[in-house]
Amino acid sequence: NAGVTQTPKFQVLKTGQSMTLQCAQDMNHEYMSWYRQDPGMGLRLIHYSVGAGITDQGEVPNGYNVSRSTTEDFPLRLLSAAPSQTSVYFCASSWGGNEQFFGPGTRLTVL
Amino acid sequence: AQSVTQLDSQVPVFEEAPVELRCNYSSSVSVYLFWYVQYPNQGLQLLLKYLSGSTLVKGINGFEAEFNKSQTSFHLRKPSVHISDTAEYFCAVSKISSGSARQLTFGSGTQLTVLP
Repeated sequence: NAGVTQTPKFQVLKTGQSMTLQCAQDMNHEYMSWYRQDPGMGLRLIHYSVGAGITDQGEVPNGYNVSRSTTEDFPLRLLSAAPSQTSVYFCASSWGGNEQFFGPGTRLTVL
Repeated sequence: AQSVTQLDSQVPVFEEAPVELRCNYSSSVSVYLFWYVQYPNQGLQLLLKYLSGSTLVKGINGFEAEFNKSQTSFHLRKPSVHISDTAEYFCAVSKISSGSARQLTFGSGTQLTVLP
């Protein structure tokens, strides 16, 4: 099992550009989520999904879109990047929610 | 809503000394409690969790934590640390629910630095 994979590892964008952060898991987990990590603030939940076709907002959803067309994939879209979205993004998955497995992260810089 | 407070942002400690990382939480409902560790440039790895039962929970790498409901605390301890324990540690909670969704609320993290 590869676990939770994320691509790319690093990305630099200009303000206003769009991009998609990819997340995939091969553990047949129903629950997937996206967090952003900023210094001194821990991790904050952006969006989550409890299964294919079902998504919901977390604590900081503005500026981000998600979709869940398959159990395995949960991409995060930035529609118009802003410097405030400079962060490290983590994807996580779980089957019953008691333990979430985290990917290695994507470090995004918006200029 | 839940909130988590990690009382120390940085904890330096000498190798082989004991360490305690403090975590307090606030919630109007019952919660599950977790400690995660993040090594430099890596994702988060679960150290231990409290779901129910014994309030003393043992995890990986010799860490343990004690759930204190009256003080709403879940402090992490290790009797003797190693250089390899240098990392950032996050306390997190999720509310107990019947569904499969478990939204984690994290503290701001504690950087543990083990000195030789």
